[in-house]
Amino acid sequence: EPEVTQTPSHQVTQMGQEVILRCVPISNHLYFYWYRQILGQKVEFLVSFYNNEISEKSEIFDDQFSVERPDGSNFTLKIRSTKLEDSAMYFCASSRTGANEKLFFGSGTQLSVL
Amino acid sequence: QQQVKQSPQSLIVQKGGISIINCAYENTAFDYFPWYQQFPGKGPALLIAIRPDVSEKKEGRFTISFNKSAKQFSLHIMDSQPGDSATYFCAAREGAAGNKLTFGGGTRVLVKP
Repeated sequence: EPEVTQTPSHQVTQMGQEVILRCVPISNHLYFYWYRQILGQKVEFLVSFYNNEISEKSEIFDDQFSVERPDGSNFTLKIRSTKLEDSAMYFCASSRTGANEKLFFGSGTQLSVL
Repeated sequence: QQQVKQSPQSLIVQKGGISIINCAYENTAFDYFPWYQQFPGKGPALLIAIRPDVSEKKEGRFTISFNKSAKQFSLHIMDSQPGDSATYFCAAREGAAGNKLTFGGGTRVLVKP
């Protein structure tokens, strides 16, 4: 079965630093998402992206966050100035269409902000 | 109103037993209810899903029961196996919201041999 690939698997950064989390969605998928899971808590929606623009975002996704599809294969999440509370597992996901479609998740990037 | 409440937080069951996980929601605009299985170090993987026009869906040893009037749905794992040991998340999606899922808090299931 096709997979969503995320790199790196672990990222450690200092508070205030910028981080970029990278994802390669499944090749024929058109909708892309970022979710996060703080340790011991539920998986939370951050943002959805379609046709090179954000289609929806949560209240978590503030001005410190941005997403980009810099080329035909990668999808990135940038956190401009990381905070301690940004420490979480970040999951990229993709789907072929925006609704009524199976959502495929990557294995995640564990971000630790020190 | 967007919350999905899941119980129990953890569950221990003997091999061959039945695991039952329950979820409740408030938002009547939710129209798709998937269950995800997550192994340590991996992302959630879709296990089974149901729409509110049916009361039950079965795929192999996994069954979703759906009670629209009570706004509750549950996952039953029949003949539980040690390989089923994982964290299970229920989720819900509002039809107009694309694939924005609202997840429950998760249930850690341990199947003892």
